[in-house]
Amino acid sequence: GIQVEQSPPDLILQEGANSTLRCNFSDSVNNLQWFHQNPWGQLINLFYIPSGTKQNGRLSATTVATERYSLLYISSSQTTDSGVYFCAVGSPLPTNTDKLIFGTGTRLQVFP
Amino acid sequence: SAVISQKPSRDICQRGTSLTIQCQVDSQVTMMFWYRQQPGQSLTLIATANQGSEATYESGFVIDKFPISRPNLTFSTLTVSNMSPEDSSIYLCSVVGRPYGYTFGSGTRLTVV
Repeated sequence: GIQVEQSPPDLILQEGANSTLRCNFSDSVNNLQWFHQNPWGQLINLFYIPSGTKQNGRLSATTVATERYSLLYISSSQTTDSGVYFCAVGSPLPTNTDKLIFGTGTRLQVFP
Repeated sequence: SAVISQKPSRDICQRGTSLTIQCQVDSQVTMMFWYRQQPGQSLTLIATANQGSEATYESGFVIDKFPISRPNLTFSTLTVSNMSPEDSSIYLCSVVGRPYGYTFGSGTRLTVV
């Protein structure tokens, strides 16, 4: 099955810094999503981005499907950005069931 | 996007017992998904629940251990049966919609003692 790897696994930032999180996937995908899991365990949908670039405030994401990677940019980080960031993909093969395969995650800690 | 109500939010259970987790969605959806997140790990898909048919289980998960019901297009339950401490995890349900993508319930944090 499709493999999803994220880097870096851990990231420590001071408030105000910028960061880039990467998601690599091993096969063609028909969808890709970025999530933020806050310290209480809630998964928050950040971007639904199977291709192209999107921006939402301090966050933006770019997916280059032909090269099988996606990037999540966080600018001017805040302590509330702390948590785990997951990339998840959907594969059209072997059958298009819409199920998501989650990456390994990046744990972000932002200190004041 | 859809709103999912999941309960219970947390529970502490004795080994050998069963727990049923419920998910209610505020709109009709064809497929619902159940995930498990073991401590410090990523999310793993347990099964896909379609209304009117048996759930489709992923490798490593079996119906006897994780029976699922899907009586209508807005509701599903997952039961964790004959629990052991290894079942201590967060269990989440999810639905997909266009164009916003996937939405997750708030999760059930299960501790088995």
